[in-house]
Amino acid sequence: LAKTTQPISMDSYEGQEVNITCSHNNIATNDYITWYQQFPSQGPRFIIQGYKTKVTNEVASLFIPADRKSSTLSLPRVSLSDTAVYYCLVGDPPRGSQGNLIFGKGTKLSVKP
Amino acid sequence: DAGVTQSPTHLIKTRGQQVTLRCSPKSGHDTVSWYQQALGQGPQFIFQYYEEEERQRGNFPDRFSGHQYPNYSSELNVNALLLGDSALYLCASSLGPPRDTGELFFGEGSRLTVL
Repeated sequence: LAKTTQPISMDSYEGQEVNITCSHNNIATNDYITWYQQFPSQGPRFIIQGYKTKVTNEVASLFIPADRKSSTLSLPRVSLSDTAVYYCLVGDPPRGSQGNLIFGKGTKLSVKP
Repeated sequence: DAGVTQSPTHLIKTRGQQVTLRCSPKSGHDTVSWYQQALGQGPQFIFQYYEEEERQRGNFPDRFSGHQYPNYSSELNVNALLLGDSALYLCASSLGPPRDTGELFFGEGSRLTVL
């Protein structure tokens, strides 16, 4: 199972771009990289998923270098409502292997006014 | 379009008792996974149900069991409750193979307190 390492916490200010990097040195060929966001007392919410290079949606961008041993979640122009815990997961979910997805402790992002 | 719904939202039990938590998946989803989230920790995978069978299981004892019904709803049962079972229990639904995109949709969770 691919293990991930991400910062425990990060601070930012409203309007700034936030980049959260996740290390996954033993990522397997079939593994995808998925990010979730979780607010207190709520279930995690899917943000973005990618396999290589760059993926962008209306919420975030995901940058994955060629060796895929790390990935960076980029949140453009954060607001106070982006204060949450962000989890990086590595696994092969498209084949239904949800049990191989490990949520670590995540990165607690605090956005200040 | 109803999302994932869980019940009850909060409950209090005493050690040794048994608890049943319920989950209705997002409309159109046929796979249900259960997670346990202790305070300050990330969710830990308990098990996954697809086609009414347990397909995968995490590192949890047999005290944790589940069931999936033909309408895809699911239950999580925990017997002989321990203080350490106090946690937020999350249900996540998804599409099963071959339509699985890997995206999990989580419910709001059931907060269990064991005294």
